[in-house]
Amino acid sequence: TQLLEQSPQFLSIQEGENLTVYCNSSSVFSSLQWYRQEPGEGPVLLVTVVTGGEVKKLKRLTFQFGDARKDSSLHITAAQPGDTGLYLCAGEDRDDKIIFGKGTRLHILP
Amino acid sequence: DAGVIQSPRHEVTEMGQEVTLRCKPISGHNSLFWYRQTMMRGLELLIYFNNNVPIDDSGMPEDRFSAKMPNASFSTLKIQPSEPRDSAVYFCASSFGTSVIYEQYFGPGTRLTVT
Repeated sequence: TQLLEQSPQFLSIQEGENLTVYCNSSSVFSSLQWYRQEPGEGPVLLVTVVTGGEVKKLKRLTFQFGDARKDSSLHITAAQPGDTGLYLCAGEDRDDKIIFGKGTRLHILP
Repeated sequence: DAGVIQSPRHEVTEMGQEVTLRCKPISGHNSLFWYRQTMMRGLELLIYFNNNVPIDDSGMPEDRFSAKMPNASFSTLKIQPSEPRDSAVYFCASSFGTSVIYEQYFGPGTRLTVT
């Protein structure tokens, strides 16, 4: 079974700090997605990365897809309270079924 | 567009009762997904449809779970009989395709509590 392992599970940091969260697998994925979920709502897509080594930026968020397409990272610069939420990575397994990691729960303290 | 609509938002029921969750996808989307989210297991794909046809139901935990999509604008997920371990938040999502390349739009979820 292909799995997406996310780390850390929980992260609480002060406003203004930088952070990186990770999504790792022992398997190759054709593409990976990152979602953010706020309490009481469904996940919302942030980005899709499809090429090994690809880097995408979304304002203060930087997403990277590993060269071997087995891992991805999300870096947030100067975190703000509005970045608080559950960050999920998702990919398609070899049976073309979408699987999600369990997520990193991020809390930014004002 | 109002986005994906789910009802009810909250459901509390007793063990053994039948539960029906409803979903209206975004108009024009041809793929619909049902997920279950718990703290222990995270977000799990239960079943998905393409053009109203079930494509993969391997994530449905047991025969007590069933899903239908009678037309392009409506889907149901039914649990009969319900058990306390079914307590979770159930999400419906829709998109233009079944591949992860296509953005999935999630509804607000139905929080199910089975006592």
